[in-house]
Amino acid sequence: AQSVTQPDIHITVSEGASLELRCNYSYGATPYLFWYVQSPGQGLQLLLKYFSGDTLVQGIKGFEAEFKRSQSSFNLRKPSVHWSDAAEYFCADTGTASKLTFGTGTRLQVTL
Amino acid sequence: DTEVTQTPKHLVMGMTNKKSLKCEQHMGHRAMYWYKQKAKKPPELMFVYSYEKLSINESVPSRFSPECPNSSLLNLHLHALQPEDSALYLCASSQGGQGSGQPQHFGDGTRLSIL
Repeated sequence: AQSVTQPDIHITVSEGASLELRCNYSYGATPYLFWYVQSPGQGLQLLLKYFSGDTLVQGIKGFEAEFKRSQSSFNLRKPSVHWSDAAEYFCADTGTASKLTFGTGTRLQVTL
Repeated sequence: DTEVTQTPKHLVMGMTNKKSLKCEQHMGHRAMYWYKQKAKKPPELMFVYSYEKLSINESVPSRFSPECPNSSLLNLHLHALQPEDSALYLCASSQGGQGSGQPQHFGDGTRLSIL
């Protein structure tokens, strides 16, 4: 069965610092990969998606992610974090293109 | 602003009550989803409707009953819920039917509390 792993439960960064959130997937074929962000009391907002093609994907709010097949990874990055980026981040895939499988999430805390 | 609208935002109900959650989207999406999310956990899929037909039921108890009256609306009827059913209920939609791999767009959810 496909699975998505987010190794970091909680990450704290200083405002203005760079950020990388890790995500590993297990599906053998090329998956459809997504990053979502959830602020407290809100639904999930799509940050970016990867289907095929260019392995570096640009998203909203200054986020980007890189698909690396050799490492089965799809890590999310941002060069300079803002205090408003504090939220829960979920990596997800639809390897079989039928159901969205979420990772356990990474909670980002931003210190001023 | 989210393009998937869920009502109500908050709901408190007793275990013997009957209530419904509503979800609406006007993006022309053909797949709609219900998820349950407990605190500090990822969303768990409950139901999927594809082209207005139920295509996935993740072994959800019968006290939850989904309904898709048309391509823009999705309801979740609740009856005789248990305290452990207290959670955030999220609706989502995606372009194309279930299986298309298109990204899902989520509403802000209904916070449900069972007394």
